[in-house]
Amino acid sequence: EVQLVESGGGLVQPGGSLRLSCAASGFTFSGYWMTWVRQAPGKGLEWVANIKQDGSEKYYVDSVKGRFTISRDNAKNSLYLQMNSLRAEDTAMYYCARSQGGPDYWGQGTLVTVSS
Amino acid sequence: QSVLTQPPSASGTPGQRVTISCSGSSSNIGSNTVNWYQQLPGTAPKLLVNSNNQRPSGVPDRFSGSKSGTSASLAISGLQSEDEADYYCAVWDDSLNGRVFGGGTKLTVL
Repeated sequence: EVQLVESGGGLVQPGGSLRLSCAASGFTFSGYWMTWVRQAPGKGLEWVANIKQDGSEKYYVDSVKGRFTISRDNAKNSLYLQMNSLRAEDTAMYYCARSQGGPDYWGQGTLVTVSS
Repeated sequence: QSVLTQPPSASGTPGQRVTISCSGSSSNIGSNTVNWYQQLPGTAPKLLVNSNNQRPSGVPDRFSGSKSGTSASLAISGLQSEDEADYYCAVWDDSLNGRVFGGGTKLTVL
């Protein structure tokens, strides 16, 4: 059974940093693109970033370029999102997802709140 | 303003057939395959349709997807109360070099 479990969310002040983690199991992690998607409270889904199987290609939505970094550790079956210079508009539930022609399996999410 | 346009709401009565549209452009729907997701209240999204019209294992055949040109649609037949949810289309956009989601459609079963 595919499982994705996010962690690392919490309350952070504007300008602060946070690192999200996603632990994957039930599939060959190194064989798939992985994705982060976020959802602000009461809003729709927004794709944040993608990373290729070996980490050689990464793509980001414009609003996080230069501030967020997606990475992975295939030996640990883990996906990460380093978030720096956080803004109030980054407040959202962050979902980790396996990607095969688009996100197919999703985790339950971790909540990030940026507020003073 | 989303790159993909969906109606904000849709509704139907039990047993009815409803369709949800998703309008895009040549750089996204016109050149890539569309996925549809269902998000029940308080839960993570779930893949309903991938590659325009393929249902993952476990998804009832009441759900079907189609694509024509720069638009896509999700049809739900035999509407049930448990279908009440938010529905999103999504596709890769070659111009933006990123995945885009529609704004979402809230389906109400009357």
